[in-house]
Amino acid sequence: KNEVEQSPQNLTAQEGEFITINCSYSVGISALHWLQQHPGGGIVSLFMLSSGKKKHGRLIATINIQEKHSSLHITASHPRDSAVYICAVGNTGNQFYFGTGTSLTVIP
Amino acid sequence: EAQVTQNPRYLITVTGKKLTVTCSQNMNHEYMSWYRQDPGLGLRQIYYSMNVEATDKGDVPEGYKVSRKEKRNFPLILESPSPNQTSLYFCASSSQGVSYNEQFFGPGTRLTVL
Repeated sequence: KNEVEQSPQNLTAQEGEFITINCSYSVGISALHWLQQHPGGGIVSLFMLSSGKKKHGRLIATINIQEKHSSLHITASHPRDSAVYICAVGNTGNQFYFGTGTSLTVIP
Repeated sequence: EAQVTQNPRYLITVTGKKLTVTCSQNMNHEYMSWYRQDPGLGLRQIYYSMNVEATDKGDVPEGYKVSRKEKRNFPLILESPSPNQTSLYFCASSSQGVSYNEQFFGPGTRLTVL
């Protein structure tokens, strides 16, 4: 069972390109989270959203509750954006389900 | 500095030898959780705790135990480790549940069971 599906699994981009990572989920959720995992393994939270759109610097996250879909956009991508991006959803029971991640490589 | 700490960071052990991975947070968070990360499967929730003495099973609780006797600590116990528990483990905390709160992750513990 895959409560959360992400695409693409792998993504290579040239520096400066606009990047989109997609996430679809099949369970009822209270909030959707986007996480970033760097090669060293550490995980940081980028966004948490339950509706609409959020922006932080060059990162934008959107969610469509009716379609059970979220996107993470990176504008003007940079090599330091290279990481694994993980979509995760929390339900009202405080359980947490993760996608398998999108590995992004940005080439200078 | 606000943080979640885990110990040990790396551990190699043998089948059947009981072990404990500690997790501690200094942010007075109510919610704590353990996850394991495996190639191709991603992160999966093992156990979570909404507060002291309140723990619940996640997606993959078999073979693990947890306790929450103090708010800041949430140890993960493997009573009889097996090779299929070889994985990268993360502890995380948030101020309340994951419904509307950002999670803070520990640095991870890489466990190998021979």
